[in-house]
Amino acid sequence: QSALTQPPSASGSPGQSVTISCTGTSSDVGGYDFVSWYQQHPGKAPRLIIYEVNKRPSGVPDRFSGSKSGNTASLTVSGLQAEDEADYYCCSYAGTSNVFGTGTKVTVL
Amino acid sequence: QVQLVQSGAEVKKPGSSVKVSCKASGGTFSSYTVSWVRQAPGQGLEWMGRIMPILGTANYALKFQGRVTITADESTSTVYMELSSLKSDDTAVYYCARGGLRGYWYFDLWGRGTLVNVSS
Repeated sequence: QSALTQPPSASGSPGQSVTISCTGTSSDVGGYDFVSWYQQHPGKAPRLIIYEVNKRPSGVPDRFSGSKSGNTASLTVSGLQAEDEADYYCCSYAGTSNVFGTGTKVTVL
Repeated sequence: QVQLVQSGAEVKKPGSSVKVSCKASGGTFSSYTVSWVRQAPGQGLEWMGRIMPILGTANYALKFQGRVTITADESTSTVYMELSSLKSDDTAVYYCARGGLRGYWYFDLWGRGTLVNVSS
């Protein structure tokens, strides 16, 4: 199972929006509405921010939103804030397994 | 609320095995699944496998099949991950992560991670 493809980096100024893509295949992203997204600050455990493509757990700001089209899922962070600077990983169900994306470092300029 | 408490850092020799634990503190795993995810230094996340403690059934990523064993002890609400035939590129932080209320396709609660350093 190959890792899902994400851009290595993305950036934006405070208040702007940034969108991260996550490309897989019809065996993972395209085959199920089971894409999740995780935020990870340096030295910390990942934190769930989106599940089942576009659902937000309680406590996650509505600045975070998710979508999917075909084999590509996307995470949008609107109204960027300094604390949004982190690594972001997508993850998809793939039959009996789960597969993560390669990760994207988001920098707030 | 429930927290996932992992065992401490380990230093292992190549060719040996390591067993990392993950205890549900303040609760039980109930009917949730528990996955293991690792992260090599400076690298991304990698899913290794999962178990449903109440059933004891486990699934493993193809890459780790034959080398990883995930078990659970319901009496102590603890899940274990044992990785054998360790190599230097198994050096990583190993996380346990609970599957979500709606299913095992996402992870809503994570342990703090256990560093395993494989070095001769």
